[in-house]
Amino acid sequence: GAGVSQSPSNKVTEKGKDVELRCDPISGHTALYWYRQSLGQGLEFLIYFQGNSAPDKSGLPSDRFSAERTGGSVSTLTIQRTQQEDSAVYLCASSASPNHEQFFGPGTRLTVL
Amino acid sequence: QKEVEQDPGPLSVPEGAIVSLNCTYSNSAFQYFMWYRQYSRKGPELLMYTYSSGNKEDGRFTAQVDKSSKYISLFIRDSQPSDSATYLCAMSDTMEYGNKLVFGAGTILRVKS
Repeated sequence: GAGVSQSPSNKVTEKGKDVELRCDPISGHTALYWYRQSLGQGLEFLIYFQGNSAPDKSGLPSDRFSAERTGGSVSTLTIQRTQQEDSAVYLCASSASPNHEQFFGPGTRLTVL
Repeated sequence: QKEVEQDPGPLSVPEGAIVSLNCTYSNSAFQYFMWYRQYSRKGPELLMYTYSSGNKEDGRFTAQVDKSSKYISLFIRDSQPSDSATYLCAMSDTMEYGNKLVFGAGTILRVKS
């Protein structure tokens, strides 16, 4: 079956612009995570969705970052007024439930000029 | 100081060598330990999962956890060029609600044929 997909695979934007990154989780997976992977850094947790519960936003680095998950499936991560330090690979993962293996998508490589 | 420390490498070994990859951590609450493999331009994939202290073997891979020393290892026997990737350790204090993983920075491994 299809794995986690993310789009776009690459995004180049100018400082100050807004960007939207999309994640399509594995069908039926109730848990969805966003991580950020900067050069030379490990994956940094950003936000977690579980079913219809309120998301855990504790990892979002600033109020310029937001995410939503529509209909318990597709998720969009939005970064407003992008800064150069936002340049990173943004990874999405989904799991069948919170205590099951997380399956990662290929990521979106964001470059802010 | 980071919660999880991992030498970024790169680690370069000849084909057939035994590889040892390690992470140290500071949070004594961590109980669940994972190793992920990440090929270039791909998302991480789960290799090994261990709960608490002890060893776990799966084919050419062995994971060790020493909670008293806050130290985990991944051994790869008979390394192959196809093992060339970045290896990320990850850990968590719970596998229940909001399984937010804390990752090391990753070690780049290169196996030369």
